[in-house]
Amino acid sequence: AQSVTQPDIHITVSEGASLELRCNYSYGATPYLFWYVQSPGQGLQLLLKYFSGDTLVQGIKGFEAEFKRSQSSFNLRKPSVHWSDAAEYFCAVGGANNLFFGTGTRLTVIP
Amino acid sequence: SAVISQKPSRDICQRGTSLTIQCQVDSQVTMMFWYRQQPGQSLTLIATANQGSEATYESGFVIDKFPISRPNLTFSTLTVSNMSPEDSSIYLCSVVFAGPETQYFGPGTRLLVL
Repeated sequence: AQSVTQPDIHITVSEGASLELRCNYSYGATPYLFWYVQSPGQGLQLLLKYFSGDTLVQGIKGFEAEFKRSQSSFNLRKPSVHWSDAAEYFCAVGGANNLFFGTGTRLTVIP
Repeated sequence: SAVISQKPSRDICQRGTSLTIQCQVDSQVTMMFWYRQQPGQSLTLIATANQGSEATYESGFVIDKFPISRPNLTFSTLTVSNMSPEDSSIYLCSVVFAGPETQYFGPGTRLLVL
């Protein structure tokens, strides 16, 4: 069965610090993997996606994610967090017509 | 890049009434979906909106409660019928454009039922 696990419900980091958000998945086939961000009062914005090829993918807003097949993980990283990055982050696995979401990680950024 | 809009952006409704939410895209899409995001929760797929035919509903969602229309390639509506406070959620449409299998989301409709 397909599933996505985001183990961290809430993470707090200081502005300028590095960030890693964890995502583990279970999927029967080669996965398409996504990270979305939801700022307060907003819809979901696509940060980045992985379909195939280079396992380190770059996204918008300075985010990157690394696909590790052996660990069934797709962790999101950013070297230096900005206050505007405070939001809810969702990992998802699937495709065009079958997308499974994790429960989300809420990021708080402190000055 | 394409623009996905939803109307209304938010609403406060009385129980027992119905609300129709619109999703409009400024270019043609291959697929459209409707999701519900209950307070503090992740997204749950309600249904796939099929052009010119009945929507395909996920388990736990029925047409009588959530009728959906999709008359063309760029527009869909979701109606939340006979509302109760438990229907208070964010309702989001998502679309897939021709090409990479990626869903893009609208800004959401924030519904509060009193």
